[in-house]
Amino acid sequence: GQNIDQPTEMTATEGAIVQINCTYQTSGFNGLFWYQQHAGEAPTFLSYNVLDGLEEKGRFSSFLSRSKGYSYLLLKELQMKDSASYLCAVMDSNYQLIWGAGTKLIIKP
Amino acid sequence: GAVVSQHPSWVICKSGTSVKIECRSLDFQATTMFWYRQFPKQSLMLMATSNEGSKATYEQGVEKDKFLINHASLTLSTLTVTSAHPEDSSFYICSARGTKDTEAFFGQGTRLTVV
Repeated sequence: GQNIDQPTEMTATEGAIVQINCTYQTSGFNGLFWYQQHAGEAPTFLSYNVLDGLEEKGRFSSFLSRSKGYSYLLLKELQMKDSASYLCAVMDSNYQLIWGAGTKLIIKP
Repeated sequence: GAVVSQHPSWVICKSGTSVKIECRSLDFQATTMFWYRQFPKQSLMLMATSNEGSKATYEQGVEKDKFLINHASLTLSTLTVTSAHPEDSSFYICSARGTKDTEAFFGQGTRLTVV
């Protein structure tokens, strides 16, 4: 079956760096997405990786290793507003998004 | 990024009535639209996928006669929750994807409360 694993919850300190991991097993691969979702709101797009390597976009970076079925989202210079759930999603061979359960990130002052 | 507008943002309805939620792609043609349901503190659950002009494909366990999906044009899809019950209370989110896109753009979501 298809499976996306990510930690349920993480805690970090304002100004620090945090890495949220995601491992996946899917039927086919057409890219991996990271979304941010604040409570009560729809997800917003953060990044898309389809090739191996690191994609950097401001304070956020996303890494992909297709051979390992692994990705991480790296958040630098954490701000209180970064407190949210972070969703990992993989697009399978049918171009359907398979979603992880999300990682709730708690930022402490 | 592209804009997807979902309406209404929230709705309260009586048990037994029907509620229609609209999802519009404002600046691109959405060949595929996805409808999700999300319960508190849970991840998105895909309910159905619809392609313009064809019948929606429902996920296992989702009643197609209860959750009516219409994707009549390249910019509009609707989800109608028929004969709503309190257990249908949830956050419903649509997303839309264009022909050449891999990214799907999300609407703002609709919080449905059935009383």
